[in-house]
Amino acid sequence: EVQLVESGGGLVQPGGSLRLSCAASGFTFSSYEMNWVRQAPGKGLEWVSYISSSGSTIYYADSVKGRFTISRDNAKNSLYLQMNSLRAEDTAVYYCARVGATANDAFDIWGQGTMVTVSS
Amino acid sequence: EIVMTQSPATLSVSPGERATLSCRASQSVSSNLAWYQQKPGQAPRLLIYGASTRATGIPARFSGSGSGTEFTLTISSLQSEDFAVYYCQQYNNWYTFGQGTKLEIK
Repeated sequence: EVQLVESGGGLVQPGGSLRLSCAASGFTFSSYEMNWVRQAPGKGLEWVSYISSSGSTIYYADSVKGRFTISRDNAKNSLYLQMNSLRAEDTAVYYCARVGATANDAFDIWGQGTMVTVSS
Repeated sequence: EIVMTQSPATLSVSPGERATLSCRASQSVSSNLAWYQQKPGQAPRLLIYGASTRATGIPARFSGSGSGTEFTLTISSLQSEDFAVYYCQQYNNWYTFGQGTKLEIK
């Protein structure tokens, strides 16, 4: 079964750091581009970051640029998001999402999400 | 940044009836437009990509149309499991999502 499973969320104080992980299974992870998308409580979806299949190309939303770092380990079938200098407005469910090779670059597989709460 | 605007914010429709959801882009996104369905407590699910192609396993009652800046998602005969929030997404110039349309039971 094709699956993405996020972990690493939790409660962190403003200014703190957190590292999210996304474990992939059921497909050749190294062949796929990946993204992080977040959703604040009761709000819509916001794209956060993109990484190419090899990890050589990376992009960020302006709202997280300079504070978040996306990375991947293809040998471990894992995607990561290092989040530093966290703010209250970063509070959200964070999803990892696969760019579908046969879905015209839409996000065809999503994880179940991990909740990040930034609060003192 | 390309801004995606969905309308209406909430749509009330009876089961068995047709639902039509709209999505407008602030500039042309060609056919690089997807629709997602999200139910409470669940991750989004891809319904439509390329503006009009159904994703794997999506029932034929879901259809998408449009290109450029105007797009439509139509659900031909609403089933109970279709009541959810629907998001459009452009992937022509990175990625942006609409604010969502909540489809509720009338």
